[in-house]
Amino acid sequence: DTGVSQNPRHKITKRGQNVTFRCDPISEHNRLYWYRQTLGQGPEFLTYFQNEAQLEKSRLLSDRFSAERPKGSFSTLEIQRTEQGDSAMYLCASSLMMEWKDYGYTFGSGTRLTVV
Amino acid sequence: GQQVMQIPQYQHVQEGEDFTTYCNSSTTLSNIQWYKQRPGGHPVFLIQLVKSGEVKKQKRLTFQFGEAKKNSSLHITATQTTDVGTYFCAGERDSNYQLIWGAGTKLIIKP
Repeated sequence: DTGVSQNPRHKITKRGQNVTFRCDPISEHNRLYWYRQTLGQGPEFLTYFQNEAQLEKSRLLSDRFSAERPKGSFSTLEIQRTEQGDSAMYLCASSLMMEWKDYGYTFGSGTRLTVV
Repeated sequence: GQQVMQIPQYQHVQEGEDFTTYCNSSTTLSNIQWYKQRPGGHPVFLIQLVKSGEVKKQKRLTFQFGEAKKNSSLHITATQTTDVGTYFCAGERDSNYQLIWGAGTKLIIKP
C-alpha cells in the first residue's frame, strides 16, 4: 500500500458542470476525510467517514456537494453545478481510529479543481 | 465556535537561525498534531502529542504540549533550506475526534 491516492490530479471544468473526484485511502485505515484548501490557507473540513458511515458534514458545505464511501473502501466527492468559488485543492486523508485514539492523518496529493 | 489560533502567519529567518510557531486553543484538546506542507505539496504528519506537558523531539524539531492541553509549540533549531514550508497544528477534540486546524505558519528562509 503506497498511501492515499487521489484522482484526477487536476481538473478544469466550465461553470455549471458537475465534477467527481476519487480517493483511495490506506486500506487499513477506517476513517476517511475530505478537505478543501485554497492558496495560503489551512485545510478546510468538508466531511468524513468512519468505515462506510458519513459521520459529519461541514455546515459550510452546500447541497451541491455530496460524498460517498460505498463498502467503506474508496470515496467519491461530487460537486454539482460548479461555481468559480469552488476552485481549490481538494484533499483526501485517511487515518486509523482505534480505541478512541487517532494515529494521525495521511493525506493524498489532492485534486486541483479550476472552474472557468 | 471552537478555534485553534496559530501565530505567526509568516516567519522569515536566515538559514541557521531558529524558528518557533505557537498554537492556542479556546478549549482543552485531547491531543494535538503537527503537520508540514511543502510548497505545492500536501500536509504530512509530523507528530502527535497527547499528554499534558509532553515534550517530544525529532532531530532539530521540538514539540511541546501545554500543561492545560490548550496550547502547543513547535521549535526548529538551526533552520535549513529543507525546513521551508508551512507548519500546521491541528487539535483534536474529544466530542467527535475531529481535528481543528490552525491557519499555519509559513517558514521562509531569507536568501
